[in-house]
Amino acid sequence: EPEVTQTPSHQVTQMGQEVILRCVPISNHLYFYWYRQILGQKVEFLVSFYNNEISEKSEIFDDQFSVERPDGSNFTLKIRSTKLEDSAMYFCASRTRREHLSDTQYFGPGTRLTVL
Amino acid sequence: LAKTTQPISMDSYEGQEVNITCSHNNIATNDYITWYQQFPSQGPRFIIQGYKTKVTNEVASLFIPADRKSSTLSLPRVSLSDTAVYYCLVGVRGSTLGRLYFGRGTQLTVWP
Repeated sequence: EPEVTQTPSHQVTQMGQEVILRCVPISNHLYFYWYRQILGQKVEFLVSFYNNEISEKSEIFDDQFSVERPDGSNFTLKIRSTKLEDSAMYFCASRTRREHLSDTQYFGPGTRLTVL
Repeated sequence: LAKTTQPISMDSYEGQEVNITCSHNNIATNDYITWYQQFPSQGPRFIIQGYKTKVTNEVASLFIPADRKSSTLSLPRVSLSDTAVYYCLVGVRGSTLGRLYFGRGTQLTVWP
């Protein structure tokens, strides 16, 4: 069964540093998402991406965040200057565009980001 | 967006059937009901989705009454590995936006 993969599984960084979280969505999917989950909190939507542009973003997704699909397979989330409160699990998700079928989003295993 | 309400936690024993009910009084005509499962430190995993009546797959069943103001996820004969958080989500199928709204979910603990 195809699955979403994410690297690294755990990233430790110093406050103020830039991090890039990587995702490989399922190959025939066209919509891509980033969510995050602070320890003990709800899963929160960050951004959705389609046709090489952001289609929606939440209030969390400020100027420190950016997303990119640099090639046909990878989907990245960059945090320019990390803060302590950015420590969380970051999940990538993808779904197919075919709206007559289930719009199920498939999630990756996540990257645990720890900001010191 | 329809708000969902589900129990914070539930306990069960191995081999029992577990039913988790979700209330969504303000569900819209176009909304579908989707359930996800999440294990600690893992991404949410799709379980089942439905619009009305009953849906069954190899993992679970989803019961939706005629008024669609609630839904019940049924897990037959649970095992220890079913211990997880279960989320009920209500949203528009095929929405071009597609963002999912997760609540706090129901922590199901299965005991031996």
